[in-house]
Amino acid sequence: GQQLNQSPQSMFIQEGEDVSMNCTSSSIFNTWLWYKQDPGEGPVLLIALYKAGELTSNGRLTAQFGITRKDSFLNISASIPSDVGIYFCAGRAGGQGNLIFGKGTKLSVKP
Amino acid sequence: DAGITQSPRHKVTETGTPVTLRCHQTENHRYMYWYRQDPGHGLRLIHYSYGVKDTDKGEVSDGYSVSRSKTEDFLLTLESATSSQTSVYFCAISEARQSTDTQYFGPGTRLTVL
Repeated sequence: GQQLNQSPQSMFIQEGEDVSMNCTSSSIFNTWLWYKQDPGEGPVLLIALYKAGELTSNGRLTAQFGITRKDSFLNISASIPSDVGIYFCAGRAGGQGNLIFGKGTKLSVKP
Repeated sequence: DAGITQSPRHKVTETGTPVTLRCHQTENHRYMYWYRQDPGHGLRLIHYSYGVKDTDKGEVSDGYSVSRSKTEDFLLTLESATSSQTSVYFCAISEARQSTDTQYFGPGTRLTVL
């Protein structure tokens, strides 16, 4: 079946740093979504992308729909402590297809 | 926040017992979904519904059944719970299922099967 590879699996941030993560798929997607999940809660939608090359921002977060339609990127600028959590990418290949989720990138604060 | 509630939020049960989880929405969205979340696997679709009494299987449907008798409620039933069904279960809703559609998630139910 379709798979999404999300990287990195985890990363440590220091306040003020910029953060980048990405997802790649084995097939072409028509939709890319980015979610954030805090402990004990459900995923919350951050950014939705519907067009190849699209670049969309939500505050300090910026996500891009890759030109090849097989990847997407999420950047967080000037990170703050509340950015910690797990970030998931999700994609849909066809108009009526199911969402496929990446395994998540866990963001933690550097000790 | 999308109006989605799940009940119970936590449940501990024994192997072989039936378990029903409930998802309730106040958004009047047509589509509802059940996912399970396990370490190392991300979110995996169990079943979804595209209307009252209309349901279909997802990626990991074995051992689960669902029912939707009203637009606002989507029930997930484990007929005979097994330890492999210990997981966190999330309900999600969406207005449509087109490319431009997005899904919104409930708070989750943590199920432990002993």
